[in-house]
Amino acid sequence: DGGITQSPKYLFRKEGQNVTLSCEQNLNHDAMYWYRQDPGQGLRLIYYSQIVNDFQKGDIAEGYSVSREKKESFPLTVTSAQKNPTAFYLCASNPTGRDQPQHFGDGTRLSIL
Amino acid sequence: GQQLNQSPQSMFIQEGEDVSMNCTSSSIFNTWLWYKQDPGEGPVLLIALYKAGELTSNGRLTAQFGITRKDSFLNISASIPSDVGIYFCAGLRGSGNTGKLIFGQGTTLQVKP
Repeated sequence: DGGITQSPKYLFRKEGQNVTLSCEQNLNHDAMYWYRQDPGQGLRLIYYSQIVNDFQKGDIAEGYSVSREKKESFPLTVTSAQKNPTAFYLCASNPTGRDQPQHFGDGTRLSIL
Repeated sequence: GQQLNQSPQSMFIQEGEDVSMNCTSSSIFNTWLWYKQDPGEGPVLLIALYKAGELTSNGRLTAQFGITRKDSFLNISASIPSDVGIYFCAGLRGSGNTGKLIFGQGTTLQVKP
């Protein structure tokens, strides 16, 4: 089945550690996105990539890093510089073309031990 | 940064009632999207609107793209328990296909059987 797969579903991090969240899509979409969701708030854009080997900062990129070495993969690293990393992280993708809606994975919940 | 004002923040209704929620902005959008999110999962696209004044239905759901391009509403008729969840509006701006969405804060819907 085509879709967006995020793993793991739950992730725990010790203070001072970097962790990497996986996002893979087999929809042949060019663009991929990472969002952060906190309770009672809408989704906020962390990073996005519209083509392989290129990515742009979103609204809250500090403390995060990404790579886009393959079209189907867009991993997000939460670094130790991110002081409040506990949140629900969502990956999305869409095809290029005017105003194509984004489709989301099922998210990864990151918690600090 | 840009914001969408989504209201109401939460609703608690009786099964069978109709529901209405809306999003407003001070900025113009080219596209309006409505998503539903179940607990612990990613948002799922319900309706996409591409033209000012457009009225689109998807089963018991109806959404409209405001004529000023600064607002949108979503109606759910004859609510059922599985309508429970968080509903998000999202607006898309930008020339070409920048693909960046701005999200509302969400409307949490609870339905009493």
